[in-house]
Amino acid sequence: KNQVEQSPQSLIILEGKNCTLQCNYTVSPFSNLRWYKQDTGRGPVSLTIMTFSENTKSNGRYTATLDADTKQSSLHITASQLSDSASYICVVSVQTGANNLFFGTGTRLTVIP
Amino acid sequence: EAQVTQNPRYLITVTGKKLTVTCSQNMNHEYMSWYRQDPGLGLRQIYYSMNVEVTDKGDVPEGYKVSRKEKRNFPLILESPSPNQTSLYFCASSPGHPTYNEQFFGPGTRLTVL
Repeated sequence: KNQVEQSPQSLIILEGKNCTLQCNYTVSPFSNLRWYKQDTGRGPVSLTIMTFSENTKSNGRYTATLDADTKQSSLHITASQLSDSASYICVVSVQTGANNLFFGTGTRLTVIP
Repeated sequence: EAQVTQNPRYLITVTGKKLTVTCSQNMNHEYMSWYRQDPGLGLRQIYYSMNVEVTDKGDVPEGYKVSRKEKRNFPLILESPSPNQTSLYFCASSPGHPTYNEQFFGPGTRLTVL
């Protein structure tokens, strides 16, 4: 069964600290994996996309990693800011089928001063 | 500004009263989609459209209708809303299939059905 699981469900960290969010998937055959950021009351916005051959990709203070062998991805946030408070959603695509996007339920991150 | 717009942003209605949520994009995207987002369930696709006059069911299409008469518009229709359709709805568009293309999401429509 194709599934995407994210952990933790929620996380509270102090401003300036680093954190890592996890995404494990059982999706097959794998095409790519995206991380989205969703601010409260807004639609999701893409942070990064990773394909099978990519291990690491950075977007400013956000760094995503992918281990296609263990089917795990992580999103590392460095020197967190209050504006990082949001939900982070992992979305995995498969290569076949019309409905081939699988969404995680997200990690709710709260950065406190 | 390139964007996806939805209207209304907030709606409270009663069971059985037909409603339409509009979605419009100004990026000339071919692919458009509707999602609902519920706590603990994440985003689930309702309907999608590969191009004008081409629509298909997503994972949770029951109780919804869509149409794609123009490339820029993709309205979501609830013919007879029920309380279990209370949810946060997002419209999204992408240049092609979202497997290989970034989806751009609208701001969301929070619907409450009493």
